Amino acid sequence: GESVGLHLPTLSVQEGDNSIINCAYSNSASDYFIWYKQESGKGPQFIIDIRSNMDKRQGQRVTVLLNKTVKHLSLQIAATQPGDSAVYFCADHPGGSQGNLIFGKGTKLSVKP
Amino acid sequence: DAGITQSPRHKVTETGTPVTLRCHQTENHRYMYWYRQDPGHGLRLIHYSYGVKDTDKGEVSDGYSVSRSKTEDFLLTLESATSSQTSVYFCAISERQGDQPQHFGDGTRLSIL
Repeated sequence: GESVGLHLPTLSVQEGDNSIINCAYSNSASDYFIWYKQESGKGPQFIIDIRSNMDKRQGQRVTVLLNKTVKHLSLQIAATQPGDSAVYFCADHPGGSQGNLIFGKGTKLSVKP
Repeated sequence: DAGITQSPRHKVTETGTPVTLRCHQTENHRYMYWYRQDPGHGLRLIHYSYGVKDTDKGEVSDGYSVSRSKTEDFLLTLESATSSQTSVYFCAISERQGDQPQHFGDGTRLSIL
């Protein structure tokens, strides 16, 4: 809900502009990464994922870029719309056949009409 | 949307009382998870289940217990609620562990006075 957005980095963009949301991860063995969108009062919603054998993956209006050298993940949203306003966070899988996802704290995206 | 229902959606209770939260899925997924979400933290795993009667602890399991008597239901119990357990609780499901998206319910907002 609203309390999720407190204490988070905030990105404010104009409607129609492109947005770039960044995420750093710490485990060099992480082999799978996900981006989620969370609107106020709702659960996280899967947006796009990428495996460590890829550098880039595109979806509808979204692109995820993975830089394994610096352990950095980014989500690009093209032509940002008011409905994109939400908290976005990444998650990574530490590698191997077991182990659960590790979730980041998130970035709050605000879109100005 | 994945068929995940959490109940109740909101609950206010007093310190020391037992509380049970329910997660029900219609996807027949093997894995189910309970997370808590607090300001300043990413989603933190409480417990998860990898099958009927098969559960394991997560990062923040103290003070919580779980049960899974049927594939579709995963219960989270606070035996004696404390104010530090005031949080938003999310249930998630997945077919496999780790390297695929988890799909989330819309959460239970729990306040312990």
